[in-house]
Amino acid sequence: DIVMTQSPLSLPVTPGEPASMSCRSSQSLLHTNGNNYLDWYLQKPGQSPQLLIFLGSTRASGVPDRFSGSGSGTDFTLKISRVEAEDVGVYYCMQSIQIPQTFGQGTKLEIK
Amino acid sequence: EVQLVESGGGLVQPGGSLRLSCAASGFSFSTHWMHWVRQAPGKGLEWVSRINIDGGSPTYADSVKGRFTISRDNAKNMLYLQMNSLRVEDTAVYSCARGVLRAGGSCEIWGQGTLVTVSS
Repeated sequence: DIVMTQSPLSLPVTPGEPASMSCRSSQSLLHTNGNNYLDWYLQKPGQSPQLLIFLGSTRASGVPDRFSGSGSGTDFTLKISRVEAEDVGVYYCMQSIQIPQTFGQGTKLEIK
Repeated sequence: EVQLVESGGGLVQPGGSLRLSCAASGFSFSTHWMHWVRQAPGKGLEWVSRINIDGGSPTYADSVKGRFTISRDNAKNMLYLQMNSLRVEDTAVYSCARGVLRAGGSCEIWGQGTLVTVSS
């Protein structure tokens, strides 16, 4: 199985400041079709997860443009240009290039 | 409004069975891959299973393979998860999710989940 490793596990951020988190996979997520099969999800407290980014860098419908995804192969990054209070929660990456699909352990973003 | 509503959760003894259902509405159900994802209390997300648009090629996490069966009824806009030989470690909130049209492995719409508790 592909192991997904996220860092940091906890990320305290001041509102208005940028934030960045990492996701690394034990195998390449780059398909021969050129797509990286890597998603980013946010689970706000008490809510179901919501898709932020798919195929490594494509923002899902309705996701603010302050969220951006980058990376290829085994190293990926989610960046928030200016953190807002509503961005608190746990961020998960997930790979879907290989079965079973696997999630990272999550990065918890909190407001300072 | 696009909506996924799970049902069928509850308390079951180890070794027992449950069938979860997911009612889809507000979109063309038959054109999307569908997934089950679970979250044990206080833990992270675990992908469980997915099924393609015509019900073929179901896939499973190793932890449930041979015990769980995913299926769908496109005429009724319904997704199912038959869970047999349940174990204490299967205790979790189970959510169904809709795959992205151009990237079926990505889960773009999620239900609120149904709690399954396996305990004697």
